[in-house]
Amino acid sequence: DQQVKQNSPSLSVQEGRISILNCDYTNSMFDYFLWYKKYPAEGPTFLISISSIKDKNEDGRFTVFLNKSAKHLSLHIVPSQPGDSAVYFCAAKAGGFKTIFGAGTRLFVKA
Amino acid sequence: DVKVTQSSRYLVKRTGEKVFLECVQDMDHENMFWYRQDPGLGLRLIYFSYDVKMKEKGDIPEGYSVSREKKERFSLILESASTNQTSMYLCASSPSTGGGYTFGSGTRLTVV
Repeated sequence: DQQVKQNSPSLSVQEGRISILNCDYTNSMFDYFLWYKKYPAEGPTFLISISSIKDKNEDGRFTVFLNKSAKHLSLHIVPSQPGDSAVYFCAAKAGGFKTIFGAGTRLFVKA
Repeated sequence: DVKVTQSSRYLVKRTGEKVFLECVQDMDHENMFWYRQDPGLGLRLIYFSYDVKMKEKGDIPEGYSVSREKKERFSLILESASTNQTSMYLCASSPSTGGGYTFGSGTRLTVV
């Protein structure tokens, strides 16, 4: 039973437009959420995070939104660039340090 | 530049072999993890360790064991490799204070 779900395996966006990657979770005990980015032949790299006490966190072109009542979070990338093409993993923690990952969404940014 | 280093990028092993995957981090992190990544399944936690000689089972520990004799090194052991253990294996570390993980580049293991 997947506790963290990324229902879109892939997403294609034009360069300069907004990319929106979505993530749903089922465990109401999750209190910290993260997004990781992974290029082929490399390990995932930490991108941005949000605590459950917040509903938005912004870092440059990347913004994460959290809707606790809907158990939903999203990552917005504005403007999208070709170098953003990668697999994006949503992840969540319920205290402690053990992290549960989603299946990932592959983003294609077309020039 | 801080790093998590996995000893091999690619490995091919035969069914029934004992396989060792090594991971070393230079960040003095307390926590270390082994995940496997499979298409459509994302990253699944095999084992983790929050201190030297301490280990905890993750979500899919069957067929695996681990060893952490030194703080910087966390080894994953496949006692008797099987074809369903063909996968990308990712090691990660994090400090005890929390935050995100630092991952290694991964080891792609093929069991034939």
